[in-house]
Amino acid sequence: DGGITQSPKYLFRKEGQNVTLSCEQNLNHDAMYWYRQDPGQGLRLIYYSQIVNDFQKGDIAEGYSVSREKKESFPLTVTSAQKNPTAFYLCASSKTRGSEQFFGPGTRLTVL
Amino acid sequence: AQRVTQPEKLLSVFKGAPVELKCNYSYSGSPELFWYVQYSRQRLQLLLRHISRESIKGFTADLNKGETSFHLKKPFAQEEDSAMYYCALSPNAGGTSYGKLTFGQGTILTVHP
Repeated sequence: DGGITQSPKYLFRKEGQNVTLSCEQNLNHDAMYWYRQDPGQGLRLIYYSQIVNDFQKGDIAEGYSVSREKKESFPLTVTSAQKNPTAFYLCASSKTRGSEQFFGPGTRLTVL
Repeated sequence: AQRVTQPEKLLSVFKGAPVELKCNYSYSGSPELFWYVQYSRQRLQLLLRHISRESIKGFTADLNKGETSFHLKKPFAQEEDSAMYYCALSPNAGGTSYGKLTFGQGTILTVHP
């Protein structure tokens, strides 16, 4: 399954702390995405980036921030402003926007 | 706004029986539709997209613009088809939101021996 890695697999944080989730890809893909997966709600898009140094808000961007300084990396910061951060987070990438998205293994964040 | 609805959260069939996973969408333009699948302990992956008109692992899906549906079908289900299936929609190419996927809630398919 290589290509897209997310770390760590499990992450625990105290309420009020910011936390950064890592996403790296070696597929030379231009586009990268962050989704949040909650039971019964499917995947919801948080942020996406079509090219280095550019990113757009998805459907549920409030309380999150991203950066895209390198083509292969798209870290997601869950800030203390996110009201319900406990969830499973999936990163994906695609060669270009509109092409098949390849997903990482996910990070399960639990805020205590 | 675009929306994808999968009315069945759970679907159970027996091996060899036909299976249909329903997907309905709302979108004002001409969308691109996808089915993604997640097998146990594996990553989410693309199963098929309507523009390729392929049959993957015996599954087919036809885009019905009149009924705004993209149901996934297989004539004879196998136990290895047991998985979570997501229907997803992307706005059509040329728009600024092209490639931005909206997913349905997912359907867990269980195929019994």
